[in-house]
Amino acid sequence: GQNIDQPTEMTATEGAIVQINCTYQTSGFNGLFWYQQHAGEAPTFLSYNVLDGLEEKGRFSSFLSRSKGYSYLLLKELQMKDSASYLCAVIDSNYQLIWGAGTKLIIKP
Amino acid sequence: DAEITQSPRHKITETGRQVTLACHQTWNHNNMFWYRQDLGHGLRLIHYSYGVQDTNKGEVSDGYSVSRSNTEDLPLTLESAASSQTSVYFCASNQGQGDSDTQYFGPGTRLTVL
Repeated sequence: GQNIDQPTEMTATEGAIVQINCTYQTSGFNGLFWYQQHAGEAPTFLSYNVLDGLEEKGRFSSFLSRSKGYSYLLLKELQMKDSASYLCAVIDSNYQLIWGAGTKLIIKP
Repeated sequence: DAEITQSPRHKITETGRQVTLACHQTWNHNNMFWYRQDLGHGLRLIHYSYGVQDTNKGEVSDGYSVSRSNTEDLPLTLESAASSQTSVYFCASNQGQGDSDTQYFGPGTRLTVL
């Protein structure tokens, strides 16, 4: 079966750095998304990786290793507004999007 | 600005009633999706459409139906609502090949079935 694993919850301190991991086992791979979802709101796009390596976008970076079936989202200089759930999603060989259950990130002052 | 809207935002209904949730997008996207989101399960695909008159079943389609008569709308119908269908429902759309393009989400509909 197809599976995406993320930690259920993480806690970090304002101003610090946090890394949220995502491992996947899917039938094929055509890209990986990270979405942010604040409580009670819709998911919003953060990043997309299809090739190995690091994609940097401001305070957020996303890394992909296709051979390891692994990605992480790195958040730097954490702000209170970064408290949200972070969803990892993989495009499989049929171009279907497989979603992880999400990681709830709690930021403490 | 282009957007994707859902209505109603909140709905309470009774077991056995038919319920329709509306989704309207002005992106002119070919692809539209319906998801439900429950604690511990993440987003689960209910139905999707890759164009007018095209509909497909997703992972959790039992008890739900959709129709696509135009580009902008993909209404989701619960034929006979059950308590297990209490959830938050998100509509999304994109333009690319299948799911490979970024999906834009509506604000969600919180449905409670009593």
